[in-house]
Amino acid sequence: AQKITQTQPGMFVQEKEAVTLDCTYDTSDQSYGLFWYKQPSSGEMIFLIYQGSYDEQNATEGRYSLNFQKARKSANLVISASQLGDSAMYFCAMREIGGSNYKLTFGKGTLLTVNP
Amino acid sequence: GAVVSQHPSRVICKSGTSVKIECRSLDFQATTMFWYRQFPKQSLMLMATSNEGSKATYEQGVEKDKFLINHASLTLSTLTVTSAHPEDSSFYICSARGFAGNYGQPQHFGDGTRLSIL
Repeated sequence: AQKITQTQPGMFVQEKEAVTLDCTYDTSDQSYGLFWYKQPSSGEMIFLIYQGSYDEQNATEGRYSLNFQKARKSANLVISASQLGDSAMYFCAMREIGGSNYKLTFGKGTLLTVNP
Repeated sequence: GAVVSQHPSRVICKSGTSVKIECRSLDFQATTMFWYRQFPKQSLMLMATSNEGSKATYEQGVEKDKFLINHASLTLSTLTVTSAHPEDSSFYICSARGFAGNYGQPQHFGDGTRLSIL
């Protein structure tokens, strides 16, 4: 069974600094996808970044980058130059392979607070 | 980008009422839609997966007679919470995925529905 582990229930960072949110996963599949979503207090889920298991380079999207270490089964999210608007819940998720439904399994999330 | 609309955003109703939540993909055809439930300060829990024109696949422990899902078209899925009780109060959020092909295509989420049963 797949499992996503986010060990940091809460993180604090000063505005303009970088922060790393941890995510480890457990799967026996060779092909899988890893996603990060942001959920502000208003509730919507915002897609941030994707990393495929066969991607050789770490994914980057603006201020977001994914530190993918396949051997360690980790997919940490790095947010550079934090902004006050980055304060939110962050979820790591893995896409299930097999069948055609592409289900996502989510971690428990990390609540990031950016301090001015 | 892809837009998913979920309606209503908030519902407050009496115990015993049935509540219908709609999830629409506005600018793409959603072959698969997902329904999640989220309790405060917790993660998303997948309730069911629905494919257009076929019966929904429910996750273990989810009562299919309590949570009726209909995916009648490629742009609309509905979740009906039948005879809702206070324990059904939660945040329900849908997501949609377009046609397969893009391996890294993310699910696009609606804004969620906060359901409160009195």
